[in-house]
Parts: sequence; structure tokens; C-alpha cells
Amino acid sequence: DARVTQTPRHKVTEMGQEVTMRCQPILGHNTVFWYRQTMMQGLELLAYFRNRAPLDDSGMPKDRFSAEMPDATLATLKIQPSEPRDSAVYFCASGSRNQGWGYTFGSGTRLTVV
Amino acid sequence: GQNIDQPTEMTATEGAIVQINCTYQTSGFNGLFWYQQHAGEAPTFLSYNVLDGLEEKGRFSSFLSRSKGYSYLLLKELQMKDSASYLCAVGGTTDSWGKLQFGAGTQVVVTP
Repeated sequence: DARVTQTPRHKVTEMGQEVTMRCQPILGHNTVFWYRQTMMQGLELLAYFRNRAPLDDSGMPKDRFSAEMPDATLATLKIQPSEPRDSAVYFCASGSRNQGWGYTFGSGTRLTVV
Repeated sequence: GQNIDQPTEMTATEGAIVQINCTYQTSGFNGLFWYQQHAGEAPTFLSYNVLDGLEEKGRFSSFLSRSKGYSYLLLKELQMKDSASYLCAVGGTTDSWGKLQFGAGTQVVVTP
């Protein structure tokens, strides 16, 4: 089965450090999403891209977060500087409207900022 | 924006039926989605409804009433592996396809 690949699976870092999370969407999917999940807030949409162009990043703290798609096979989410409140599971998901409505989540990156 | 409500937790016995309700208020709507998420894993897509009515997929069925802002997910013949969180999500407008807003999830506990 095709799947969305996220790296790293786990990341522990100190406050103030830069964190980069990577995602390889499913080949042929033209829409890529970044979600963050915490116990308190649930799943929150941070940003999403269609055909590599950013469509909406209103859910993302702009002062420290940035999301890019340097090419169709790679999406990145960066946090600089990281803070303890950024501790969460970050999911990437991809989909394509012409391949059905459901889209596929990666296994997530569990980030802990100490 | 959207406001999505679903119960926090439900418990049922193996072999039984459970219905998870979801109500929503939204400024734009393009489908109601259900995802399943086991602890420590990623959400997986279960079903979606765009039009009113019932969609059946094996042991799982999903219903939508757009006029009432209401949906439910019906799980039949419960199995232990169905213990998971079930997330209701509302899709954005056509121009923002894929912009899903998720509810907090309903934790379903299946007991022997």
C-alpha cells in the first residue's frame, strides 16, 4: 500500500533549537497537509499545499513556524526557535481530489521540547 | 469557522452496536468525514458523506443530515480491535478542499 512517510518518528530537543520535520507524500497526490495533535487541542490544521503552492497557513504561528514544499516529493515543517508548548505529534497527510475524498496520514513525528 | 461536537467517550460490549453522534455548525461545508485513530497511531479514513443519507461500508455506516448539521457513525458487530478514537471532521468549501476541521474525538472502549 502507498503511504505517507514522515521523519523523524521521534524528536527530543532543547528549547530554542531549530526543529525540521520532513514528509514524503504519496506519489500522485497533489495536496499536502500539516496537522498538529495535542491532548488539549486535538487535531489542528497548520498549513496545506496544492501542487506545491501554499494555500493556507493561517493555523500556523508565523513567527516561529515555516512550511515549504521544495519539490513534489518533499514537504518540510520547521520550528525556530522551538518552545516547550510546541510539544505535540505533527502529522503530514496527502490526498488528491481525483483519487477520492479521504486522504492518508503519515505516522507522525512526536516532538518533545524540554 | 466550524464548531464540532461529539461525545468524549462511549463503552460497549463485543458484538454490540454503538452510534457516535456528531453535530456541527459551519460557515462552509463540503462533506462530513469520519476517521479512526488507534492510540499512538495516525488517523485512518473511514467514510465521508457529501449528500444527506446513509452510507454503508461493511460493519461501519455513516449518516448525514445537512439541514440539521448532524451526522453519526454506526459501528456494528463490535470487535475488540474497534477500541479507538473516532474523529468527526467537516470539510471546507470547494475552494478549500481538504481543509478539514476535526472534532475532539470519541474514545470507544469495547469490553469483552
